[in-house]
Amino acid sequence: KAGVTQTPRYLIKTRGQQVTLSCSPISGHRSVSWYQQTPGQGLQFLFEYFSETQRNKGNFPGRFSGRQFSNSRSEMNVSTLELGDSALYLCASSPGLAGSLRGDTQYFGPGTRLTVL
Amino acid sequence: DAKTTQPNSMESNEEEPVHLPCNHSTISGTDYIHWYRQLPSQGPEYVIHGLTSNVNNRMASLAIAEDRKSSTLILHRATLRDAAVYYCILATGNQFYFGTGTSLTVIP
Repeated sequence: KAGVTQTPRYLIKTRGQQVTLSCSPISGHRSVSWYQQTPGQGLQFLFEYFSETQRNKGNFPGRFSGRQFSNSRSEMNVSTLELGDSALYLCASSPGLAGSLRGDTQYFGPGTRLTVL
Repeated sequence: DAKTTQPNSMESNEEEPVHLPCNHSTISGTDYIHWYRQLPSQGPEYVIHGLTSNVNNRMASLAIAEDRKSSTLILHRATLRDAAVYYCILATGNQFYFGTGTSLTVIP
């Protein structure tokens, strides 16, 4: 099976712009989670989607949003970009039956490196 | 307030066991403990997870203290491919809380 794919791999934006990142999960997986990784804050959970519905959410402002499509592909959007949004954004997929917070194993993609200038 | 606490770094000789500790003193009854590891320039990779009992899989073992306030990831025979940052994660409420990670160096 193909792994989790994320596009684009690298992105440069300026402050105030918005950005959309895409994640294609492993075939058959119904849950997609998003994470932000920065040198200062480490890995932080953004949100999880399951069957097109947000199932869990981390402590990020409303500028960070996501959605999931009927084919389980997911997009994450960040509006009004700030310098502090520069990070590696990771997507992970899991079967979704038990939930990523419980027993499901998550499979991570390589990430999208976002740089905000 | 950090939900999990891990040492920043550890070293191990190749083919020796490694014990990676994690403190999660605020854990509650339904919170799961997960461990993932991350190699440079890659996304994290699942290692193991547990709730109350000790767990074993082909990669590692997870020993959970009786009061569940700490746990230890055990790699039985470290190899050079095990050199990575190991994250202890508390799955509580409706989200994950990552530790800062332990960078494991394996010495040949």
